[in-house]
Amino acid sequence: NAGVMQNPRHLVRRRGQEARLRCSPMKGHSHVYWYRQLPEEGLKFMVYLQKENIIDESGMPKERFSAEFPKEGPSILRIQQVVRGDSAAYFCASSPPLGQGSTDTQYFGPGTRLTVL
Amino acid sequence: KQEVTQIPAALSVPEGENLVLNCSFTDSAIYNLQWFRQDPGKGLTSLLLIQSSQREQTSGRLNASLDKSSGRSTLYIAASQPGDSATYLCAVHGGIQGAQKLVFGQGTRLTINP
Repeated sequence: NAGVMQNPRHLVRRRGQEARLRCSPMKGHSHVYWYRQLPEEGLKFMVYLQKENIIDESGMPKERFSAEFPKEGPSILRIQQVVRGDSAAYFCASSPPLGQGSTDTQYFGPGTRLTVL
Repeated sequence: KQEVTQIPAALSVPEGENLVLNCSFTDSAIYNLQWFRQDPGKGLTSLLLIQSSQREQTSGRLNASLDKSSGRSTLYIAASQPGDSATYLCAVHGGIQGAQKLVFGQGTRLTINP
């Protein structure tokens, strides 16, 4: 069973461009979480999604950031008009649906390191 | 608002020593607590998860304890090895099952010297 996959692993963008980060959860997992780790800071929750639904987006910046988890395909974290302050490591985690194993443990991907020039 | 604090921020010890990492949280109404390891430039590896009804969990040389009433958890590492060098993160799950965002501490950067 492959783990959580994220791509790209490294992404370089210039200010004003768009960044798209992809996350494929573990097989059988329908819950996806995105976290951001700014340089020298801890991980901060951004958004929690289930298939086709955003459950909790309390950690998402109000502007420029959006996330989706379509019925088919990976979850996408999209950052429009990137600024230097968006440079960070973005981690995705997944967990199984309720009743099919513990939803308590979140399994993390290797992260996407975004650098904004 | 839940806040998680880890002390110390960094720790350097000689190989073979036993050590304790500390984690405290402000809201005792947690669902469970999880310890992770993060190597430089890498993702997170789950080490131990303690349910709110449990007092401790063990895995090999690692033992994690939980005292909900005082808002504290400790991670005990026995007979430390250079390969244990990493950043250790404590995270709490709060709230209703199914809305399980993790709140992380800043981490303890551990260095084991050969």
